[in-house]
Amino acid sequence: EVQLVESGGGLVQPGRSLKLSCLASGFTFSNYGMNWIRQAPGKGLEWVASISSSSSYIYYADTVKGRFTISRDNAKNTLYLQMTSLRSEDTALYYCASPRSGPFAYWGQGTLVTVSS
Amino acid sequence: DIQMTQSPSSMSVSLGDTVTITCRASQDVGIYVNWFQQKPGKSPRRMIYRATNLADGVPSRFSGSRSGSDYSLTISSLESEDVADYHCLQYDEYPYTFGAGTKLELK
Repeated sequence: EVQLVESGGGLVQPGRSLKLSCLASGFTFSNYGMNWIRQAPGKGLEWVASISSSSSYIYYADTVKGRFTISRDNAKNTLYLQMTSLRSEDTALYYCASPRSGPFAYWGQGTLVTVSS
Repeated sequence: DIQMTQSPSSMSVSLGDTVTITCRASQDVGIYVNWFQQKPGKSPRRMIYRATNLADGVPSRFSGSRSGSDYSLTISSLESEDVADYHCLQYDEYPYTFGAGTKLELK
């Protein structure tokens, strides 16, 4: 059974940093690209970043480019999102997602990031 | 960036209705469209992948179709458990983009 467990969210002041993790199990993590998606309170879904299986290809939404860094540790079956220079508009529930017959087949439960002074 | 214009934003529905939600892509995205269902306080669930394929465990009353740049999710004989938010996504080209969502509400 595929499981994705996000962690690392919390309350952070504007301008500070936070690192999210997504621990994957139930599939061969090192074989698959992964994605981060976020959802601001009461809003729709927003794709944040993608990383290929070997980290060779990385893509970001314009809204986070230059501030967020997606990475992975295949030995630890873990996906990361390093977030810096956080803004109030980054407040959201952050999900990781894994593929099966295409991306976004499985989603974690999300971790909440609140950016506020 | 590719825009996914989703309509309607909300819909008042009755049990047993046939419901159709549409996303129009601003440029060609081929078959690379997913549909997701999201219930309050829950993570999104993939319902349709590659525009027309039913995801594992999804009831057969759900279907996806494509006509040109218009992608549709249809729910036949709506059941109470189908009342939720629905989102489309294009993953043909980065940045991946979601539609704004459709909220189904019971009359």
